[in-house]
Amino acid sequence: NAGVMQNPRHLVRRRGQEARLRCSPMKGHSHVYWYRQLPEEGLKFMVYLQKENIIDESGMPKERFSAEFPKEGPSILRIQQVVRGDSAAYFCASSPPVLETQYFGPGTRLLVL
Amino acid sequence: GNSVTQMEGPVTLSEEAFLTINCTYTATGYPSLFWYVQYPGEGLQLLLKATKADDKGSNKGFEATYRKETTSFHLEKGSVQVSDSAVYFCALRGMEYGNKLVFGAGTILRVKS
Repeated sequence: NAGVMQNPRHLVRRRGQEARLRCSPMKGHSHVYWYRQLPEEGLKFMVYLQKENIIDESGMPKERFSAEFPKEGPSILRIQQVVRGDSAAYFCASSPPVLETQYFGPGTRLLVL
Repeated sequence: GNSVTQMEGPVTLSEEAFLTINCTYTATGYPSLFWYVQYPGEGLQLLLKATKADDKGSNKGFEATYRKETTSFHLEKGSVQVSDSAVYFCALRGMEYGNKLVFGAGTILRVKS
């Protein structure tokens, strides 16, 4: 059973470009979470999604960031008009029903030049 | 709101030394508690968990006991190995709606041979 897949593993963007980060949950998992890890810091929750629904986006910045988890295909975290402060590692996790353990992917390391 | 406080690192130990990494939390009710480990360049792996007071989580020689009276979940290992060198994160999942994890800042462990 493959684990949580994220791609790309590394992404370099220039200021003002868009970044798209993809996450494929473990087989049988219908819940996806995105976390951001800034340099020298712990992980901070961003958003929690089920298929076609955003359940909790309390950790998402109000502007430029959006997330989706369509009926088919991976979950996408989209950052528009990136700035240097967006440079971080973005981790996706998945779980089966709510209140179960979350399993993390390897992360996407975004560098904004 | 919920929060997790970990001892600051880095913690540097010799092989076969005893390890303690302190973790305390603030939360309402009875959260679930977790330790995750992150090896260089990788995502987070669940190390152990405890879901109610006095539960002891254990895995790979690591242990942590859920202490409600002291709101703590300290990580211990009797004899560390060089391969245990990593960043260790304490986390909680609160009882409010949703499944998001709240992480501590992480503690770097370096084990020397």
